[in-house]
Amino acid sequence: EDKVVQSPLSLVVHEGDTVTLNCSYEVTNFRSLLWYKQEKKAPTFLFMLTSSGIEKKSGRLSSILDKKELFSILNITATQTGDSAVYLCAVEVDNTDKLIFGTGTRLQVFP
Amino acid sequence: DSGVTQTPKHLITATGQRVTLRCSPRSGDLSVYWYQQSLDQGLQFLIQYYNGEERAKGNILERFSAQQFPDLHSELNLSSLELGDSALYFCASSARDWVYNEQFFGPGTRLTVL
Repeated sequence: EDKVVQSPLSLVVHEGDTVTLNCSYEVTNFRSLLWYKQEKKAPTFLFMLTSSGIEKKSGRLSSILDKKELFSILNITATQTGDSAVYLCAVEVDNTDKLIFGTGTRLQVFP
Repeated sequence: DSGVTQTPKHLITATGQRVTLRCSPRSGDLSVYWYQQSLDQGLQFLIQYYNGEERAKGNILERFSAQQFPDLHSELNLSSLELGDSALYFCASSARDWVYNEQFFGPGTRLTVL
């Protein structure tokens, strides 16, 4: 059965800290991996990764995929209180169009 | 604002009832996806429509059905509602380019079954 596992489940840090969120997956016919940020309501798209070893970067956020070891990490440097959210990892399985989501990592950043 | 709209925002109903959730995708997007998010199950894929046709099915109960209309809006029908159906229901849309499948989520409909 296809599955996506995220760790840690929850993370509490102070502003300015750097955090690393993990996502590992076991799926047949991997197509892509996506990261989303979910605050109060709808998940918002962050990154899509399809190729191993290529870092995607957006401001203080960056992500990389390792297709050999079947995982991805999301790094957030110099965290701010506005980074507090649930971060969701999802994997797209080839030829199915659906996304399989992990249960998310809840990040809380305190001033 | 993702460009995906969902109505209503909140819905409170009783067990055994039937409700309809509505979603309008981003302009130009042909694919619509429905997800259910509950506290204990996380975000679960229900069903996808592409240009009016069912494309992929996930963990959707037989009591639930969906359709996509010619104007590309979609409706998710939930019938014989049970307490366990209380959840946040998200709709997402994508252009479904053959290389990328970035999905953009609507604000969700919170369903409470009493």
